[in-house]
Amino acid sequence: DSGVTQTPKHLITATGQRVTLRCSPRSGDLSVYWYQQSLDQGLQFLIQYYNGEERAKGNILERFSAQQFPDLHSELNLSSLELGDSALYFCASSLDGQGRQPQHFGDGTRLSIL
Amino acid sequence: SQQGEEDPQALSIQEGENATMNCSYKTSINNLQWYRQNSGRGLVHLILIRSNEREKHSGRLRVTLDTSKKSSSLLITASRAADTASYFCATAAFVGGTSYGKLTFGQGTILTVHP
Repeated sequence: DSGVTQTPKHLITATGQRVTLRCSPRSGDLSVYWYQQSLDQGLQFLIQYYNGEERAKGNILERFSAQQFPDLHSELNLSSLELGDSALYFCASSLDGQGRQPQHFGDGTRLSIL
Repeated sequence: SQQGEEDPQALSIQEGENATMNCSYKTSINNLQWYRQNSGRGLVHLILIRSNEREKHSGRLRVTLDTSKKSSSLLITASRAADTASYFCATAAFVGGTSYGKLTFGQGTILTVHP
C-alpha cells in the first residue's frame, strides 16, 4: 500500500462530459503529481503541485485543470471529454517537490469515454 | 514524448534466471528511478540512483548508471514468477542548476517469468 488514495477507481462517461478525479497524498507528502498513461503515449506527466501551489506543467490540455487544497488533497478536472482522453490517470506524491525523493503512486483512475 | 528508451521491450525468462533491462535518456539528470507496474495497477518504486552514483543494490536488484552514456541498467537476480510485471525507468531532470520534480518515463520493459 503506497498510502496514496485515488477515487474513483473506474469512470465511464460520454464525450463532451466533465469529470473530477480525486487524490489524497501519502501522509506528510507536500507534492502531488498527475500522470496520464495510455497505450500510444505511455506515461506522461501532466501537472505538479507543491504545498498548494502549481509547481510545473507538462503535456496538459487546456480542457484539463487541477488544484491542490489546503489539506493537500488534489483534484484533476477533465472537461469536454474526447475519445482520446480514455486512459489511466495516476496521482503520485512525494515529500519534496524537486525530484530528490521517490514518488509514491496511487492505483489510478481508469477513465473510459464512450 | 518519452525521453527514455528501454530495451528490450519484452523479456521472457525462466524462474531462477537473471533479467537485465536497459534504459537510455537524453537530458541531464538529478537521479534515475526504476518502477514496477503490475497489470493495471499503480507504479511501485524500486530503487533510486543519484547522478553521482554508479551502482546501487537493493535485495535482488542491482542498478547501474553511466551518466557519460546517459544509460542505466536494472538487473534482477534469481527471478521469481512474482517478478512478472512491467518495469519503467524514470528520470528527474537537472537543468540550469534547477532540480525538477516531474518524472520522465521510458516506454517500459514487459518481463515475464515462467515458473
